[in-house]
Amino acid sequence: EAQVTQNPRYLITVTGKKLTVTCSQNMNHEYMSWYRQDPGLGLRQIYYSMNVEVTDKGDVPEGYKVSRKEKRNFPLILESPSPNQTSLYFCASSLSGTVGYEQYFGPGTRLTVT
Amino acid sequence: AQKVTQAQTEISVVEKEDVTLDCVYETRDTTYYLFWYKQPPSGELVFLIRRNSFDEQNEISGRYSWNFQKSTSSFNFTITASQVVDSAVYFCALKALSGGSNYKLTFGKGTLLTVNP
Repeated sequence: EAQVTQNPRYLITVTGKKLTVTCSQNMNHEYMSWYRQDPGLGLRQIYYSMNVEVTDKGDVPEGYKVSRKEKRNFPLILESPSPNQTSLYFCASSLSGTVGYEQYFGPGTRLTVT
Repeated sequence: AQKVTQAQTEISVVEKEDVTLDCVYETRDTTYYLFWYKQPPSGELVFLIRRNSFDEQNEISGRYSWNFQKSTSSFNFTITASQVVDSAVYFCALKALSGGSNYKLTFGKGTLLTVNP
C-alpha cells in the first residue's frame, strides 16, 4: 500500500531533550516536506527536500533540523525542544517538487513539550 | 509572496443543505496549482482536487464541485446535499512554480464545516 508513515504518533517530552520524528514513504517520491499545524494558523511548512541531499527552509524552520540521506526517509530533529514546539506535525511527499503534483500526507505526530 | 485566504473560519449546516467554502488566493506567478484537502476528525489530510492555472474548467465529482475563477482569484468548493460525514476541516492550498516561490505549498487557515443531522 502506498503510504507515508510517521513515528511516533504521539510524544510527550520535556524541554531540552533531543528527539527525532521519523518519516518514510514507499512511493519513490522525490519531494518531501514537514509541516506543523497549530489552531488558527493552518499548516505551515518547516523544511522541505527536493531530492536526496537537497533540503531547504520553509516558513518556520527555527528550532528544527532535517536530513535526507535516502530517498524514502526524511526525519525531523528537534535538538532542544521548547514548549512553543508543541504542535501537530505532518510529513508529506510528492512525485516531484517542481511540478504541481499533489502531496500525500502521513498520519501526523502529536508532540507535547512540557 | 503567495497567500491563501479562507475567510470562513467555521460553517454549520443541516444535513442535505448545500454549502460553499470560499478560497481566495494571491500570487504573482502565472503558473500555479490550487488544491483542496480535507481533514476529518480523525486527523489525516486527504487530497480532494488539484487545478492548474491554465485550466479554468469547473469540475464536479459526485456531490463535490469546484469553481475556479482567475478573474477573482478564487477557487471555491461546493458540497451539494451535505452529509454528516462531510464534517471536517477543509484546506485550500496554492503552489506556484515560478518567481522564486521555492516550490512551497501555501495553505489557508482552513474552514471547519459541521454538518448536523
